[in-house]
Amino acid sequence: QSVLTQPPSASGTPGQRVTFSCSGSSSNIGSNYVYWHQQLPGTAPKLLIYRSNERPSGVPDRFSGSKSGTSASLAISGLRSEDEADYYCTVWDDSLSGWVFGGGTKLTAL
Amino acid sequence: EVQLVESGGGLVQPGGSLRLSCAASGITFRDHYMDWVRQAPGKGLEWVGRIRNKANHYTTEYAASVKGRFTISRDDSKNSLYLQMNSLESEDTAVYYCCDIGVGYWGQGTLVAVSS
Repeated sequence: QSVLTQPPSASGTPGQRVTFSCSGSSSNIGSNYVYWHQQLPGTAPKLLIYRSNERPSGVPDRFSGSKSGTSASLAISGLRSEDEADYYCTVWDDSLSGWVFGGGTKLTAL
Repeated sequence: EVQLVESGGGLVQPGGSLRLSCAASGITFRDHYMDWVRQAPGKGLEWVGRIRNKANHYTTEYAASVKGRFTISRDDSKNSLYLQMNSLESEDTAVYYCCDIGVGYWGQGTLVAVSS
């Protein structure tokens, strides 16, 4: 069982806005930045959001992140079929002295 | 262009050892904290461990699942990161990624299979 809780699946139709949740605790999300990674099938993870709400260069502004208390969320607006992937939240946990990952949310574009 | 290239994966028997390497280019490797992350077949991402930079005394942290069995090291003169894995178990079967999670640099991964 993961330290960070993510719903296992999500879906949406092209053009729709979808959101992913990530729930943690005071020792991780409550005190550190959240990072979101996208993993397309058969490929390495790709950083989508860093420091809870910042986008690396090259990541479309359709992707946005936010954090409140011990929860974080990732939003994708204008869903596209190529967004079908697994999405992972991760954060440094001060109690465990290590990175913790959510179990991942598999996004299906209907 | 940033490149992290892992090598050293393969098939190993339970109880055996394996050493993974990661060659970095396109970054000032010595400045970075580096991580190893693994992904078992069909499963999610699992952090394995981290090594800090020289300024932070090359200190290491490990996940509970590998502590005492795995050792992370680095050679800044060779821009290389290593993962020494001992007492391997079937549960260690995974693709192992070399990465800097906070910056978003990831290698392509190398597969380690532990089986008799």
